[in-house]
Amino acid sequence: LQLQESGPGLVIPSETLSLTCSVSGDSITSPFSYWGWIRQPPGEGLEWIANIYYSGSTYYNPSLKSRISISVDTSKSRFSLKLSSVTAADTAVYYCARQRARDQRLADFDSWGQGILVTVSS
Amino acid sequence: DIQMTQSPSTLSASVGDRVTITCRASQSISNWLAWYQQKPGKAPKLLIYDASSLESGVPSRFSGGGSGTEFTLTISSLQPDDFATYYCQHYNTYSPPFTFGPGTKVDIK
Repeated sequence: LQLQESGPGLVIPSETLSLTCSVSGDSITSPFSYWGWIRQPPGEGLEWIANIYYSGSTYYNPSLKSRISISVDTSKSRFSLKLSSVTAADTAVYYCARQRARDQRLADFDSWGQGILVTVSS
Repeated sequence: DIQMTQSPSTLSASVGDRVTITCRASQSISNWLAWYQQKPGKAPKLLIYDASSLESGVPSRFSGGGSGTEFTLTISSLQPDDFATYYCQHYNTYSPPFTFGPGTKVDIK
């Protein structure tokens, strides 16, 4: 399984950050996979952002829910993140990852993209 | 939200040492916990899932334990490749966000 993030590396404050994750090596419609976004500000820890299932079912981090939208395109085997009204605090490396599902519950993140640094600056 | 804490925040050790990192959850998460290793400039790598199950391909010197609110990651004999930052994360489906701990950096003594 391989995941690859893409999108602009620089976003203007107050605008919308848009990223896409392309999935290869496994089906994005696997019943045992959710697809998620995690971010890491420079020098800091990891923050889970959101997940989506191929059917469109989603989980959002409540602290970001008002600003985020996640979608999936099964025909292109990719999923996307939009984060609106960005500020400098949203500067981070953004990772896409697969979250496994077991026993009808969400589980660990077993495969990660390499990450993409997004800087919010004018 | 479930809060995750880790101790210590930094650990200095030598090759061959046995090291243990502790992760605590603010409420019971059963065994819904994973451990990750991250090296500078790289994505995290899954080591342990369901608190004590070793991910395929991960060396057996890594082991996990605990349940409820207290968990441990143990490296039985520290190797040069193990100097990194380690994160725990809960995945209680009924209690998102799926919070990560703040991390424990293992560096060379």
